[in-house]
Amino acid sequence: KNEVEQSPQNLTAQEGEFITINCSYSVGISALHWLQQHPGGGIVSLFMLSSGKKKHGRLIATINIQEKHSSLHITASHPRDSAVYICAPTRGSQGNLIFGKGTKLSVKP
Amino acid sequence: GAVVSQHPSWVICKSGTSVKIECRSLDFQATTMFWYRQFPKQSLMLMATSNEGSKATYEQGVEKDKFLINHASLTLSTLTVTSAHPEDSSFYICSASSQLAGDLSSYNEQFFGPGTRLTVL
Repeated sequence: KNEVEQSPQNLTAQEGEFITINCSYSVGISALHWLQQHPGGGIVSLFMLSSGKKKHGRLIATINIQEKHSSLHITASHPRDSAVYICAPTRGSQGNLIFGKGTKLSVKP
Repeated sequence: GAVVSQHPSWVICKSGTSVKIECRSLDFQATTMFWYRQFPKQSLMLMATSNEGSKATYEQGVEKDKFLINHASLTLSTLTVTSAHPEDSSFYICSASSQLAGDLSSYNEQFFGPGTRLTVL
């Protein structure tokens, strides 16, 4: 069983829809990153959180450490949100990330 | 957020040659830098973790003599792929963090470079 499970693996949405991507992990962690990877490969860190909820623009991330679950929400989705979203819990004293397989999001106009 | 650059952004080389990839943190001091590799349609995989001034810690299965990592300053880490072969063709990404090493209470965000696409002919 993978240490990090994301769902769904693929998601197609219409512009304006509310989107949720879920992440469950089986290891003990102190923090979790949500990353965005565009087709060219570049990665952007969207959030790092260790409890509760964070909001940045149309993006919201939540985490429940006890339940080992995190969610990423996108409100009023837009075609430019099309990318792969990766859940990456932090483990170890060096802050090493373990990666989910990613959720490929495609937002249609 | 903080900016991390990588150079080159892409490189094509002949089998048997060595390739050096640079990772720089432009506006902060990176105590820790991470090197990742990503094969097509696969997840990122951590190759090694480097702390400034000390030897890198390699993940299991990553040959330290083939992938030489030097973290000579708080703003620069280099990855050298020695005697590259076609199977080394991949997307190499670095990230940088200002986390205090060993301090479990101070996890800091990792900032990623734009990546280097290596093609070995």
